[in-house]
Amino acid sequence: DIQMTQSPSSLSAAVGDRVTITCRASQGISNSLAWFQQKPGKAPKSLIYAAISLQSGVPSRFSGSGSGTDFTLTISSLQPEDFATYYCQQYNSYPPTFGPGTKVDVK
Amino acid sequence: EVQLVESGGGLVQPGGSLRLSCTASRITFSSYAMSWVRQAPGKGLEWVSGISGSGDSTYYADSVKGRFTISRDKSKNTVYLQMNSLRAEDTAVYYCAKDWYSSCYYLFDYWGQGTLVTVSS
Repeated sequence: DIQMTQSPSSLSAAVGDRVTITCRASQGISNSLAWFQQKPGKAPKSLIYAAISLQSGVPSRFSGSGSGTDFTLTISSLQPEDFATYYCQQYNSYPPTFGPGTKVDVK
Repeated sequence: EVQLVESGGGLVQPGGSLRLSCTASRITFSSYAMSWVRQAPGKGLEWVSGISGSGDSTYYADSVKGRFTISRDKSKNTVYLQMNSLRAEDTAVYYCAKDWYSSCYYLFDYWGQGTLVTVSS
């Protein structure tokens, strides 16, 4: 199975900050990488697919980059509703696997 | 917008069984593969099982293979997860997730709200 790692595991940020989260795959996954946002007690929400493409309705302050093994999720200007946990997921190889998550909380 | 509603969770003893349901609305149900993904308390996400849009192909994580069975009923727009021989480590919130394609590609765009399964004596 492909192992997904994320860094940092948590970070503290203020509204307006630029936030960057890194996801790494244990082997190359091309651009088959998705990002999800999850708030406490809620279902995951799809943000990005194919490493760089925004799901419909997702604000443009979210962006993704990378291919192969190294990927990044960037929030250009953190908003109050963005405090949450973020997960990456690879869908290049079976079985699909998720990263352990990065919690973004208030500084 | 697509809506997925899970049900069927609850408290069950180790070794017991439970059947989860996920009913979809506002989609052409048979056009999309579906998966179950679980999240143990305070933990991350784990894919559990997937089924193609036709229902002809099913897939399971090693951790549940031989104990869980996924199926779907297109007349009811519902996907099921039959869980047998439940263990404490199966305790989790179970989410159903819609795939982008009719075959299992594991690119999820919509998720249900989840249903909690607790395995305990």
